[in-house]
Amino acid sequence: SQTIHQWPATLVQPVGSPLSLECTVEGTSNPNLYWYRQAAGRGLQLLFYSVGIGQISSEVPQNLSASRPQDRQFILSSKKLLLSDSGFYLCAVDRGPRETQYFGPGTRLLVL
Amino acid sequence: RKEVEQDPGPFNVPEGATVAFNCTYSNSASQSFFWYRQDCRKEPKLLMSVYSSGNEDGRFTAQLNRASQYISLLIRDSKLSDSATYLCVVNGPLVDSNYQLIWGAGTKLIIKP
Repeated sequence: SQTIHQWPATLVQPVGSPLSLECTVEGTSNPNLYWYRQAAGRGLQLLFYSVGIGQISSEVPQNLSASRPQDRQFILSSKKLLLSDSGFYLCAVDRGPRETQYFGPGTRLLVL
Repeated sequence: RKEVEQDPGPFNVPEGATVAFNCTYSNSASQSFFWYRQDCRKEPKLLMSVYSSGNEDGRFTAQLNRASQYISLLIRDSKLSDSATYLCVVNGPLVDSNYQLIWGAGTKLIIKP
């Protein structure tokens, strides 16, 4: 079975600072990878997804970007964080259309 | 209308009771339906998929009503450990050979002793 790693677990960053969150996956190959954000008391908002190395699709305009340098590595970045970037960031994996998604433990980001 | 809509709750239910909640979806072409459970400050975890004919997993029963575009989750003999937020998930339209999952905001369930 697959294992999804995310780090750090918690992050407190000042407004205007850069961000880099990493997600790595074990136990599967060529997965679809996703970045979601969940604001307090809200549903999951899809930020980016990737169906292969170097292939990134963005769902919402924002100051965030994503990259997939390796098959099982997905990185979320920002050059300058905004207060509104605070939230719970979740990396997810699935094996194909309409398949079950599995999540990493998440990174809780607080921008001050 | 929201693509996937859930009553946010909270549902306060005594231990041992039966509780049910629904989720409505707007895309009549949706084919995949799931219930996830999310504990406080944790990631969502799959509870069960929802099949057309309905399905049961222990104390949990999921039903799909395509005509009215809703899915339901029934929990029997509720336990304190069932306290969590239950997320309804439905697949959206096909985009770039991939179906995106559309997530409800969740229904919070609190089981009281």
